[in-house]
Amino acid sequence: AQSVSQHNHHVILSEAASLELGCNYSYGGTVNLFWYVQYPGQHLQLLLKYFSGDPLVKGIKGFEAEFIKSKFSFNLRKPSVQWSDTAEYFCAVPMYSGGGADGLTFGKGTHLIIQP
Amino acid sequence: NAGVTQTPKFQVLKTGQSMTLQCAQDMNHEYMSWYRQDPGMGLRLIHYSVGAGITDQGEVPNGYNVSRSTTEDFPLRLLSAAPSQTSVYFCASRSTGTSYNEQFFGPGTRLTVL
Repeated sequence: AQSVSQHNHHVILSEAASLELGCNYSYGGTVNLFWYVQYPGQHLQLLLKYFSGDPLVKGIKGFEAEFIKSKFSFNLRKPSVQWSDTAEYFCAVPMYSGGGADGLTFGKGTHLIIQP
Repeated sequence: NAGVTQTPKFQVLKTGQSMTLQCAQDMNHEYMSWYRQDPGMGLRLIHYSVGAGITDQGEVPNGYNVSRSTTEDFPLRLLSAAPSQTSVYFCASRSTGTSYNEQFFGPGTRLTVL
């Protein structure tokens, strides 16, 4: 099974600061990578995903992530965060490489707090 | 479309009680799954289904049963609740095809077992 690790469990930033959240995955052949966000009291929503092509992926709300194959990384970035970005962020990969009938393996999450 | 719906939103059980968490989707997705979310643990896959009549175990299946009699519904059963099952439970679905298809999550059920 594939695995994913997130380096930062709690991050506190001020508004307008730049954000980078780390995510590393285990090699498993076909690489499909996801970032999900969970706003307080809400369910998970897809921020962005990578499955092939341009390694720089743009998602919703100004987020982007870069797939770096040599580093097995898929870090999430945002140039200037807003108070509304306060949320829990999860990196995820398919549980088994090659796609098909499986679920996702999630990282333990990063709790991001943006201070006004 | 309502997407993925879950009931109830909150539930308190006593140890040993049984209950069923309901999940339904109206997107005609073949793949459905159940996750539990615990602080500092992320989401962990409990069971999943690739279509009506077909289910399989995920990472943490013990203490849970599932069935998939229709495409739309994927209930999760706790036969004898334990305090270790206190968690937030999320149901998800996705369309057929490759694994990079987006999974859609329900709003969750917050379960407390006393």
